[in-house]
Amino acid sequence: DTAVSQTPKYLVTQMGNDKSIKCEQNLGHDTMYWYKQDSKKFLKIMFSYNNKELIINETVPNRFSPKSPDKAHLNLHINSLELGDSAVYFCASSPQQGVGSPLHFGNGTRLTVT
Amino acid sequence: QKEVEQNSGPLSVPEGAIASLNCTYSDRGSQSFFWYRQYSGKSPELIMFIYSNGDKEDGRFTAQLNKASQYVSLLIRDSQPSDSATYLCAVGTGRRALTFGSGTRLQVQP
Repeated sequence: DTAVSQTPKYLVTQMGNDKSIKCEQNLGHDTMYWYKQDSKKFLKIMFSYNNKELIINETVPNRFSPKSPDKAHLNLHINSLELGDSAVYFCASSPQQGVGSPLHFGNGTRLTVT
Repeated sequence: QKEVEQNSGPLSVPEGAIASLNCTYSDRGSQSFFWYRQYSGKSPELIMFIYSNGDKEDGRFTAQLNKASQYVSLLIRDSQPSDSATYLCAVGTGRRALTFGSGTRLQVQP
């Protein structure tokens, strides 16, 4: 009965490959996010979708493309993977966009690029 | 200047003591403040949130907010070894997604 679920949990791939991470939430939330957490635990926002519309793109390289088929799903596709893309990627959702709305995180996808 | 700053630690306290975790933020327009706990290899989980100046208590946890000083803190009373984790401060501003600090690692010594 997981609230925010993302797959896969681990992803090991070589430079130059293309990969996708999937995320689904069953909380009925309107807004979903992708955060990247580096080796120093710093969580940085990448994208936010509110009811299927992109509302934030925080200067992420265009090799990263989010796709939201409906408000319960937000996938992340990454082209031409680079070593620096290695990190843990967290999907999250919140009841609504904006102030005062706490985030509920998925379990994370640890991406390792070799 | 980072938007949300935390001392990376580790902060080491003996079991039963009070752990005090601090966070400062740069945007005076920030309106909501959150504390998340993250165990190693796990996802962040929400512990507390606070919107108004003053203290907010929930069990062993107390969040304190001082908007004039742009400062938010988390106190953990009667610290337990199971409280050992990284504590992330997050700040909400307008319609933006939450901005996180880099976290403070807390170690509670048995």
